[in-house]
Amino acid sequence: ETGVTQTPRHLVMGMTNKKSLKCEQHLGHNAMYWYKQSAKKPLELMFVYSLEERVENNSVPSRFSPECPNSSHLFLHLHTLQPEDSALYLCASGQQYSAADTQYFGPGTRLTVL
Amino acid sequence: DQQVKQNSPSLSVQEGRISILNCDYTNSMFDYFLWYKKYPAEGPTFLISISSIKDKNEDGRFTVFLNKSAKHLSLHIVPSQPGDSAVYFCAASAGNKLVFGAGTILRVKS
Repeated sequence: ETGVTQTPRHLVMGMTNKKSLKCEQHLGHNAMYWYKQSAKKPLELMFVYSLEERVENNSVPSRFSPECPNSSHLFLHLHTLQPEDSALYLCASGQQYSAADTQYFGPGTRLTVL
Repeated sequence: DQQVKQNSPSLSVQEGRISILNCDYTNSMFDYFLWYKKYPAEGPTFLISISSIKDKNEDGRFTVFLNKSAKHLSLHIVPSQPGDSAVYFCAASAGNKLVFGAGTILRVKS
């Protein structure tokens, strides 16, 4: 499989649940990103990992916890979310941590918090 | 406070005509600009970019224009094709971080 994959594609969870989103890139990239896209709003950068180290954390609530165990995998652990956290969560990767470097996006996980 | 604004939520164009998508930004430190395209159920894909040292970049049917004094960029698609129907996101950067607009839905009618 090539490119950037995300699982699950759809997730419905209650506010007390714990779940994880998974992202995998098969491109040999060194940078990985988590974005949130709420309805009719811009993509919001949440976290950036470069060479498996977190380099950006954009004031994201602690109920979102990222993990990058290796350069190919990125997780977003979810705990006690709120209904306003319902959104499309997109993962992306890039050759290096640079805005001039093309980012390759996965298809996203559509999250609904009840 | 949105630093990158796409004021037209949607645009409808006839096949074969020109599509013009607009984007305004507020941060004068932005020095690199990109357009991404997104189809339903897929992630955004890179389309075209422009550095602040240029005012135009062309790639086939797609041309991006940058007007730094007006803090405005636009994407022209000529001729428009039904397969161009998608959501188009404008993005800008100063340093390593991209700031995205909310997107414009383009519908190309055949």
